[in-house]
Amino acid sequence: DVKVTQSSRYLVKRTGEKVFLECVQDMDHENMFWYRQDPGLGLRLIYFSYDVKMKEKGDIPEGYSVSREKKERFSLILESASTNQTSMYLCASSSTGDGKSYTFGSGTRLTVV
Amino acid sequence: AQSVTQPDIHITVSEGASLELRCNYSYGATPYLFWYVQSPGQGLQLLLKYFSGDTLVQGIKGFEAEFKRSQSSFNLRKPSVHWSDAAEYFCAVGSLNSGNTPLVFGKGTRLSVIA
Repeated sequence: DVKVTQSSRYLVKRTGEKVFLECVQDMDHENMFWYRQDPGLGLRLIYFSYDVKMKEKGDIPEGYSVSREKKERFSLILESASTNQTSMYLCASSSTGDGKSYTFGSGTRLTVV
Repeated sequence: AQSVTQPDIHITVSEGASLELRCNYSYGATPYLFWYVQSPGQGLQLLLKYFSGDTLVQGIKGFEAEFKRSQSSFNLRKPSVHWSDAAEYFCAVGSLNSGNTPLVFGKGTRLSVIA
């Protein structure tokens, strides 16, 4: 079974901490995405990447950065976590040749206290 | 700009009843259309997709959706709902001609199923 794996299901961090959320896919997909999901707001795109070392801002990049040093891994970084970044974070990947069908990870529920 | 509207935030249906979840999109190019389902605490799973051809698309778990270009709609249907269908459903749109532009997702419709 093809997979997108997010390293943590639940995470609790303190305000001001630097937080790393890791995502790994085993499908050799070119494209990877980070979303956050909040009640009533649906999925909002934070950053995405089409290739190694490439990144593009999504709709809400402020307060976040990303890293893609290897094709299979896409990391989301909260430089200085704040309480308004408490959310569910979803990683997804897709193949350019597969008509944009996304495969999602199970999500990381991050709480910043 | 492209957009997806799911007019119903929350729907409750009885087990065994039929279901229709609405999705309207605004997209200038030829659309790709998707429905995803999210069970509580989980990621999103692809239910079905439309790229071209037959406008009635069959998906997993007994779901189907119909693309109606004239109405800019892609409504999801199931003839008989099971309690396990309780989840959140997301419609999404992309374009054949827009390269790597990410999909645009609707805000979701939460489905509750009662006995």
